[in-house]
Amino acid sequence: EPEVTQTPSHQVTQMGQEVILRCVPISNHLYFYWYRQILGQKVEFLVSFYNNEISEKSEIFDDQFSVERPDGSNFTLKIRSTKLEDSAMYFCASSETDWGPPQHFGDGTRLSIL
Amino acid sequence: SQQGEEDPQALSIQEGENATMNCSYKTSINNLQWYRQNSGRGLVHLILIRSNEREKHSGRLRVTLDTSKKSSSLLITASRAADTASYFCATDSLNTDKLIFGTGTRLQVFP
Repeated sequence: EPEVTQTPSHQVTQMGQEVILRCVPISNHLYFYWYRQILGQKVEFLVSFYNNEISEKSEIFDDQFSVERPDGSNFTLKIRSTKLEDSAMYFCASSETDWGPPQHFGDGTRLSIL
Repeated sequence: SQQGEEDPQALSIQEGENATMNCSYKTSINNLQWYRQNSGRGLVHLILIRSNEREKHSGRLRVTLDTSKKSSSLLITASRAADTASYFCATDSLNTDKLIFGTGTRLQVFP
């Protein structure tokens, strides 16, 4: 069964450094998402992306965050200047359409900010 | 309570028993989905129920939705040790496809 793949599985970065998290969505999917889960807390929506532009973003997704689909397969989340509170598990998801089919999630990238 | 609150927070049962988890939400929804998360892993989609549906089955899973009470339940029948995981409900609404997740139920199934 097709999968969403994320790399790296674990990223350790110094505070203030830039980090790029990578995702390869399922190939025929058109809608892409990033979520994060701080340890012990709920999964929170960050951003949705369709047709090469952001369709919705949360309050968490401030100017330090950006997303890009640099080619036909990758979908990236960049955090420009990381803070300690950015430490979390970041999940990428994709779906075929936006009207109800499930969002399929990757295994996540654990981001640890030191 | 916030959108998507599950109860119980934790549930421990023996293999072969049934497990029931509940989810409540506050705003109108388009769909409600249940996901499973094994420790340290991603979210695996289990089942989706639309707002105009009342019950849905998939294998050992049975989901009900009561939009008048803004609640859903997930029943896992004949549980197995491999069902040990956290279970989350997630809702989406009209005009947005972002998922709002609940706090989750940690299920432990003892062999």
